Amino acid sequence: ETGVTQTPRHLVMGMTNKKSLKCEQHLGHNAMYWYKQSAKKPLELMFVYNFKEQTENNSVPSRFSPECPNSSHLFLHLHTLQPEDSALYLCASSQLAGGRATSTDTQYFGPGTRLTVL
Amino acid sequence: LAKTTQPISMDSYEGQEVNITCSHNNIATNDYITWYQQFPSQGPRFIIQGYKTKVTNEVASLFIPADRKSSTLSLPRVSLSDTAVYYCLVESAGRRALTFGSGTRLQVQP
Repeated sequence: ETGVTQTPRHLVMGMTNKKSLKCEQHLGHNAMYWYKQSAKKPLELMFVYNFKEQTENNSVPSRFSPECPNSSHLFLHLHTLQPEDSALYLCASSQLAGGRATSTDTQYFGPGTRLTVL
Repeated sequence: LAKTTQPISMDSYEGQEVNITCSHNNIATNDYITWYQQFPSQGPRFIIQGYKTKVTNEVASLFIPADRKSSTLSLPRVSLSDTAVYYCLVESAGRRALTFGSGTRLQVQP
């Protein structure tokens, strides 16, 4: 148990469906992330939120829409996905230190949502 | 961002020491080296982090030479439960790695 939970753990959806993935962190962190892990590709960073503000979008298609209402919750809204979007979607959180950093922040990952697009 | 290179896979036996080396030739001054472990269908888990020389915790040791262009993760006495994929990341505060790379798949045999 890492302190980061994700729901649902498994999701099957059609290409015309709209669904949302939810992530919640209980660690008091100020940054949250979405990653995608496909079967044949490395783990890829999708979005970064610092203090609820999106600071990075790694060229993700608009059919993926993130939402961060507060520093503990992160959503990924999905619509009109393609079969190649089937993957393990991982959420992570970290604590970004203010001022001079003595190390870089460690990420804590959730268990992931296994998404299958039919 | 620094690119990392690791062996695709390694095999070992229970009780042996395993050393996994990662190359990161264009590491920047502010970058730290972090290793994660991932089991199938789970998120990666932090193992160890270092900047230079040697770092040791209850799980592993991390050796970083003076030029910092490579690092070696050392797992002292592996068990079957250490079978996983191990990722080497080079990051600095506020500058996240965009990909974890392919990692090293470690298979521990009885």
